[in-house]
Amino acid sequence: SAVISQKPSRDICQRGTSLTIQCQVDSQVTMMFWYRQQPGQSLTLIATANQGSEATYESGFVIDKFPISRPNLTFSTLTVSNMSPEDSSIYLCSVGRGQETQYFGPGTRLLVL
Amino acid sequence: DAKTTQPPSMDCAEGRAANLPCNHSTISGNEYVYWYRQIHSQGPQYIIHGLKNNETNEMASLIITEDRKSSTLILPHATLRDTAVYYCIVREYGYGQNFVFGPGTRLSVLP
Repeated sequence: SAVISQKPSRDICQRGTSLTIQCQVDSQVTMMFWYRQQPGQSLTLIATANQGSEATYESGFVIDKFPISRPNLTFSTLTVSNMSPEDSSIYLCSVGRGQETQYFGPGTRLLVL
Repeated sequence: DAKTTQPPSMDCAEGRAANLPCNHSTISGNEYVYWYRQIHSQGPQYIIHGLKNNETNEMASLIITEDRKSSTLILPHATLRDTAVYYCIVREYGYGQNFVFGPGTRLSVLP
């Protein structure tokens, strides 16, 4: 498995502002993923982030709204830009371990007022 | 869209086996069956995965039917800490293959 930490664990933000979420892994990994979980819903993949290349976004998610950085093999950030109350969600990062599975971080709980 | 169908909720008595079913009738030959669970306010936790043989680890057993169109996750002795949403996911083997989460089964373990 992998030990994954996220910062912040939770935040309350004002609409129109931006928040950057950090994801740190205890070992080098090739694939990192960012998911969103809206209240009462299941997880939805936002984007895949590989080190040294641009993130690949899923349908319905755009780079201007959710810019992602992947500066090295143990770290990634997701920014939620120009936030609105509809962005209130849990944001989760995960890492691919070999070809088989993914392990998830604890999540960042975001409330936008 | 998720390729699996699960009951929305189930109850289980503490100490008894919890058997969580999953239908995946359109599964293809190179797709594995994965199970994750999400305890309230935490990130999803990997439980087990398999291709066609039954699998067992320290957390659970996975029983896959011979035609691979359905599977059952078994928690042999459920505890209150097993109360969670359980997700059954079908996914191709390989780097970068996405996990598509459906609504899952909300398991309540009752004292």
